[in-house]
Amino acid sequence: EVQLVESGGGLVQPGGSLRLSCAASGFIFTNYWMTWVRQAPGKGLEWVAAIRQDGNERYYVDSVRGRFTISRDNAKNSLYLQTNSLRAEDTAVYYCAGGTGSWAFDIWGQGTMVTVSS
Amino acid sequence: QSALTQPASVSGSPGQSITISCAGTSSDVGGYKYVSWYQQHPGKAPKLMIFDVTTRPSGVSNRFSGSQSGNTASLTISGLQAEDEGDYYCSSYTSSRTLLFGGGTKLSVL
Repeated sequence: EVQLVESGGGLVQPGGSLRLSCAASGFIFTNYWMTWVRQAPGKGLEWVAAIRQDGNERYYVDSVRGRFTISRDNAKNSLYLQTNSLRAEDTAVYYCAGGTGSWAFDIWGQGTMVTVSS
Repeated sequence: QSALTQPASVSGSPGQSITISCAGTSSDVGGYKYVSWYQQHPGKAPKLMIFDVTTRPSGVSNRFSGSQSGNTASLTISGLQAEDEGDYYCSSYTSSRTLLFGGGTKLSVL
């Protein structure tokens, strides 16, 4: 079964950090661009970051550049998002997703909730 | 960068056709053939319905079709069914090497 399973979300204080993980199974992970997309409560989708199959190209939305880092471990079929200096506006469900090209993503996880609050 | 512009809501009756627009600029929608559409049901992850403006992934009904004219892309759903109700988002690659989503459109099947 093709699957992405996120973990690592939770409640964190402003200025804090979290490391989100995404475990892939059922497909050839190294064939896929991977991305993180978030959705604030009651709001629309917002793209956060993407990483190429070999990990040598990474892209970020302006609002997280310098605070978030996307990475992957192809040996472990895993994707990560290190989130630092978290703000209230980073509160959202974070989805990992994968695609083989065209900046379109056809495999999605169920999401992990990040809540930034004091 | 501002989100792509979609209508907040559209509605239709079963069997009818509806079209959702997605307006961008020459730096995103109009500049690349990398427009996608996603369907999202409440509490669920998005599902890819269209990519590369017009291409349906395997398993997606041929009732869903995509098109583009200039800086505006469109998703058309024909033969509306109750299960089509949900939120729809367009996305486009941009000249800044980022991905931009639309604000989302809530489809109601009356």
